[in-house]
Amino acid sequence: DAKTTQPPSMDCAEGRAANLPCNHSTISGNEYVYWYRQIHSQGPQYIIHGLKNNETNEMASLIITEDRKSSTLILPHATLRDTAVYYCIVRVLSGGTSYGKLTFGQGTILTVHP
Amino acid sequence: EAQVTQNPRYLITVTGKKLTVTCSQNMNHEYMSWYRQDPGLGLRQIYYSMNVEVTDKGDVPEGYKVSRKEKRNFPLILESPSPNQTSLYFCASSLNPRELDIQYFGAGTRLSVL
Repeated sequence: DAKTTQPPSMDCAEGRAANLPCNHSTISGNEYVYWYRQIHSQGPQYIIHGLKNNETNEMASLIITEDRKSSTLILPHATLRDTAVYYCIVRVLSGGTSYGKLTFGQGTILTVHP
Repeated sequence: EAQVTQNPRYLITVTGKKLTVTCSQNMNHEYMSWYRQDPGLGLRQIYYSMNVEVTDKGDVPEGYKVSRKEKRNFPLILESPSPNQTSLYFCASSLNPRELDIQYFGAGTRLSVL
């Protein structure tokens, strides 16, 4: 699975959009981009995923660049409850030794302040 | 409510005393997995199971055992715990990682081995 690079920390004001970048310059054509978050030692929580097209769900939007080398997770109206570590993960949907395994990096600590 | 349930949430034990951490999911998921999380090392996969009676090693399987006798349960067994197994443990499940790989995590088990 491709390696990802994320800033170690970011701040955001409550009510504003939080834009979390992720660099995955070595991503291959069949690798998806997934985002999970972990709120203070709770279990990681799935947010969104995509392959090429931009995606939106009730939690967030995912913008993937045309060359797929980077992506941005957007929380449109951040709240204090969105303070968490956000992980960007790229992986294929296939078998082999990485079957089902999510490789979590260090992630981005997002702090939402009043 | 769809969930992954781990028990116990907190456990303090002594070196060498066998213990089992239980994990149960109510979503009829095929895939289940165990991770441990340590400061600076992120989440690392211990074992995973693709279906009943099918288990395989992850990245850090030494000192652990698992079993998958029923689809819903995937217990983690530490036959002879050691202090280096002090960690935060998460169980996860997914319907089918080859298709839509949204993984659901339990709330975690914080284990201290003295």
